[in-house]
Amino acid sequence: GENVEQHPSTLSVQEGDSAVIKCTYSDSASNYFPWYKQELGKGPQLIIDIRSNVGEKKDQRIAVTLNKTAKHFSLHITETQPEDSAVYFCAASTRYGGSQGNLIFGKGTKLSVKP
Amino acid sequence: DSGVTQTPKHLITATGQRVTLRCSPRSGDLSVYWYQQSLDQGLQFLIQYYNGEERAKGNILERFSAQQFPDLHSELNLSSLELGDSALYFCASSFRGNGYTFGSGTRLTVV
Repeated sequence: GENVEQHPSTLSVQEGDSAVIKCTYSDSASNYFPWYKQELGKGPQLIIDIRSNVGEKKDQRIAVTLNKTAKHFSLHITETQPEDSAVYFCAASTRYGGSQGNLIFGKGTKLSVKP
Repeated sequence: DSGVTQTPKHLITATGQRVTLRCSPRSGDLSVYWYQQSLDQGLQFLIQYYNGEERAKGNILERFSAQQFPDLHSELNLSSLELGDSALYFCASSFRGNGYTFGSGTRLTVV
């Protein structure tokens, strides 16, 4: 089955710096790669996603890149702010038939943004 | 409010007991997914239901079971509880798997 590795497990940056979180996946059939942000005491919240027919996607200060050949994808956060501090999860799944398969998550990255 | 409702928010019970966790999906979503989150294991997929039928199974123990009812709400039943079952249990819903919406979770503590 699919296996998703995520690095680093913790990341500390100064406010205003960029943060990069990287994930690799094992199943070449995976074609959907979302990123979730989880704040303390809350459920994970989808922040951005990318499908395998796209190499990069941006939404304001966050961007995701996908390298299908190498089977890895990354989350980039620019101009980090203290409110970006949270645990970030990458995930992967495979679409079959008319619906998406279940998501397999990485183990998470705890991002701390220091003022 | 994500639109996915999980009850109860907290649950404390003794080893050997049985509990039921409830999830109401977002309006219009047909799929419900259950995940277990523990400190060192991240988000582990347990089981998926689609419109009342089991669609996929993950690392779900035989002591655990789930179902999705005609009104699309879902229940996760955990029995013969052990200390190691203490975790956060999340429900998520989606329409055809396009972007999961998670509930705020049920924190289960087994003592």
